Parts: sequence; C-alpha cells; structure tokens
Amino acid sequence: EVQLVQSGAEVKKPGESLRISCKGSGYSFSDYSISWIRQMPGKGLEFMGTIDPRNSYATYSPSFQGHVYISIDKSISTAYLEWSSLKASDTAMYKCVRLGKWNDLDHWGQGTLVTVSS
Amino acid sequence: DIVMTQSPLSLAVTPGEPASISCRSSQSLLHSNGYNYLHWYLQKPGQSPQVLIYLGSNRASGVPDRFSGSASGTDFTLRISRVEAEDVGMYYCMQALQPPLTFGGGTKVEIK
Repeated sequence: EVQLVQSGAEVKKPGESLRISCKGSGYSFSDYSISWIRQMPGKGLEFMGTIDPRNSYATYSPSFQGHVYISIDKSISTAYLEWSSLKASDTAMYKCVRLGKWNDLDHWGQGTLVTVSS
Repeated sequence: DIVMTQSPLSLAVTPGEPASISCRSSQSLLHSNGYNYLHWYLQKPGQSPQVLIYLGSNRASGVPDRFSGSASGTDFTLRISRVEAEDVGMYYCMQALQPPLTFGGGTKVEIK
C-alpha cells in the first residue's frame, strides 16, 4: 500500500526556521515526484513546488520561490519542506502528494499543521 | 503561469438533482499526446482531496459513474448526474500540463 507519512504539527515563532518531512513507502520512491501543497485555514489549495527524486531537482511556484526550500533524501525515501525564516502568514496545513503518471495527485500525506505565532 | 478560473464559487443542490461545475484555463491544456492535462478533485470535510476525473474525462478508479468530465477547448466541465449527500465538499480543477501546476479557486457543493 502506497503511503506518505508526514511529521507532526509544529508551533513556531516568527523568524524561526523549520523543516517538515514526508516519508514514502509501499512504492519505488525514486520513480515518482513529490509535490507540496499549502492550504491556509478555510482557503483553497495552493501548489508550492515539486521535487524529482531521480535528480533532486526542485521547481517552485513563483509565489513560494525564495521563501521555501524543497529537498529529498532518497536513501530514506523522505522529502522535506523547509523555511529559514517563518512568518505569521505561513500558518497553514501543508500536505505532500505523489505525482502520478499523468501529473495527477494520486496519493496524499495526512498533512502537517504549522502554526506561526509570537 | 496558467490561470484556472472556476465557477460557481458555491452550489446548493437538492439530492437527486444534477450539478455542473465549470473551469476555464488561460491557455490550452492539450498535450502533444492528445490528452487534456486537467484533473478534478473532491475534498470532503476534514479529508485530503481525492481525484475524481483525470485527463479531462476519465473517471478515477472507484468513482461513481454519476460523475463525468468533458472538455471544449479551454473550457472544462464536471457534471454530477444525480447529487447524493456524500458528494458534499470542495471541488477543484487543476491543470497538470505546465509547471507550476495550478488549481482553480474551488467550488463548495452543499445539499439543500
């Protein structure tokens, strides 16, 4: 069974750094790209970026470029989403998702709630 | 970026009645392989989105046949032939042709 398991909820202060994770299992991790999706409270889905495990190359939506960093460790089948300096506006649910054959989002992580508050 | 414009914002439907959601892309989503790279998702309350329709008109595994998708140029439509109570939630279209992938703003479907 394909599973993406994310790290637990985080509470941080503005300016702090954070890295959350997404561990894949039940499939060949290197064969599928992983994307990150943001959903702010009561809002819609926002695509943040994608990383290809075959070459560790990440692409970002312009709205998130320069503010987050996506990385991957194939040896432990884990993708990461990282901030160097959080803002209150980063408070949201973040979900990792596997990109399927047609670039469809075919398997989702359970989500990591990030709360940034002073 | 490709902009996806989805309408309506919300929809209240009587059980058993049909419903329709539209999505327009700012440019063609037609891949050289002949497929439109447009997918439809349903996010039920408290859950992650699930794919309903992929490549414009193909029902995903396990999706009831009351759901259908169609395309005409840059206009895409999701139809529910007879809405059931379990169909409530947020519906999103998403273009998957060109990075960054982009979503429509969502349509909230409620039961009258």
